Amino acid sequence: EVQLVESGGGLVQPGGSLRLSCAASGFTFSDHYMDWVRQAPGKGLEWVGRTKNKGHSYTTEYAAAVKGRFTISRDDSKNSLNLQMNSLKTEDTAVYYCVSLISGYPYWGQGTLVTVSS
Amino acid sequence: EIVLTQSPGTLSLSPGERATLSCRATQSVDSRYFAWYQQKPGQAPRLLIYGASSRAAGIPDRFSGSGSGTDFTLTISRLEPEDFAMFYCHQYDFSPPYAFGQGTKLEIK
Repeated sequence: EVQLVESGGGLVQPGGSLRLSCAASGFTFSDHYMDWVRQAPGKGLEWVGRTKNKGHSYTTEYAAAVKGRFTISRDDSKNSLNLQMNSLKTEDTAVYYCVSLISGYPYWGQGTLVTVSS
Repeated sequence: EIVLTQSPGTLSLSPGERATLSCRATQSVDSRYFAWYQQKPGQAPRLLIYGASSRAAGIPDRFSGSGSGTDFTLTISRLEPEDFAMFYCHQYDFSPPYAFGQGTKLEIK
């Protein structure tokens, strides 16, 4: 069974940093692309970024709103996905989900809440 | 950049009725990487349809997806009380950003 468990959310001040993690199990993590998606309170879903697999040189892609501030990394040896968030803004407040794309089938975690507030 | 526009913004129907939700893309999308989600308050999105027309595991057959190119449709053949929620379309390949639609709220009339 595919499982994705996010962690690392919490309260952080504007301008601060936070690192989210996603622990993956139930599939061959190293073979697949992984996304981060977020949802601000009362708003729709927003794609944040993607890391491709080793076969695609671990290429990363980012939404314009986070490019230059957020960094996605993965550790295939630990089946782990990370999202390093720097220079956080109040508008980054959201539930952050990790999503795996397995043969065209998206699997989602339950999300972790990040609140950026003074 | 592909933009997905869902219509209507809100759909008011009664249990037992048929619901038709639309998603239109500004460019042609590879239907293999097109999905529909249902989301209820306080919950993570639930995958309904992937590959434009394949039902996800455990999804009742009253949910169906169709379409290709720039026009996609989610149909709920006979609404049950638990079906009322927000629905999002999503394209997750072609090129970034991998857009979501803005959502359609399906509410009880």
